[in-house]
Amino acid sequence: AQSVAQPEDQVNVAEGNPLTVKCTYSVSGNPYLFWYVQYPNRGLQFLLKYITGDNLVKGSYGFEAEFNKSQTSFHLKKPSALVSDSALYFCAVRDMRSGNTGKLIFGQGTTLQVKP
Amino acid sequence: SQTIHQWPATLVQPVGSPLSLECTVEGTSNPNLYWYRQAAGRGLQLLFYSVGIGQISSEVPQNLSASRPQDRQFILSSKKLLLSDSGFYLCAWRGPGQGNTGELFFGEGSRLTVL
Repeated sequence: AQSVAQPEDQVNVAEGNPLTVKCTYSVSGNPYLFWYVQYPNRGLQFLLKYITGDNLVKGSYGFEAEFNKSQTSFHLKKPSALVSDSALYFCAVRDMRSGNTGKLIFGQGTTLQVKP
Repeated sequence: SQTIHQWPATLVQPVGSPLSLECTVEGTSNPNLYWYRQAAGRGLQLLFYSVGIGQISSEVPQNLSASRPQDRQFILSSKKLLLSDSGFYLCAWRGPGQGNTGELFFGEGSRLTVL
C-alpha cells in the first residue's frame, strides 16, 4: 500500500537553530514527493517538491528537503529557524495508482514550534 | 495568475440541515479539482476529485456529494448533515497537462461545525 509517515507529532526548536521535519514514504516505483505548510485556520501552502534529479531540493522561505531513496525518506530542513516558521507541516506523495488524476496522499502532519 | 476561492469561510449548521460549499478557480482552464477534509486539525482525507465538467470520483462512502456544473466550479453538498461531518474542508486544483508532477494549490478552507 502507498503511504506517507511523519513520525513526529511535534518538533520543538529554538530560533536560529537548524530544523528537521521527518517524512518517510512507501510507494511503488519512483516517488513524487511534496511538502506543504499550514498556518492556523488557513489552507495549505506549497513549499517544494521532488520529482527527479538532485536529491537536495530547495523551496520557498528558505526550506529545503533531502530525498534519500535507500532510506525512503524526504526530510524537510532549514538551516536557521524563525519563530514565524511555527506551523503544521505536511509531507505528501503522489498516488501512483491513480493514473493522471494528480491525487496526493498526505502524512498526518507535524507541528513545528520555534521558540524565541 | 491563478486564484482559488472558497466560501463560506465558516459555517455552523444544525444536524439534519443541508450543506453547500462552493469552490471556484480563476485564471486557468480545465483544472483537476479536489475536495479534502481535515479533521481535528491534522491529516487530510481526499473526499472527491474531478477531471472535468460533470466528472466526479468519490474516494470514500459518506454523507456528502460533489458536483462540477462548470469548468472552474466545484461544489460540495449534503442533504442532511451529521455531527461527524464537522471539519475543515479544503478545495484544491491542479493545472491541466501537468501529468503527475504538478503540485496542488489549495484554497483557504471552509470550517463547518455541525451542532
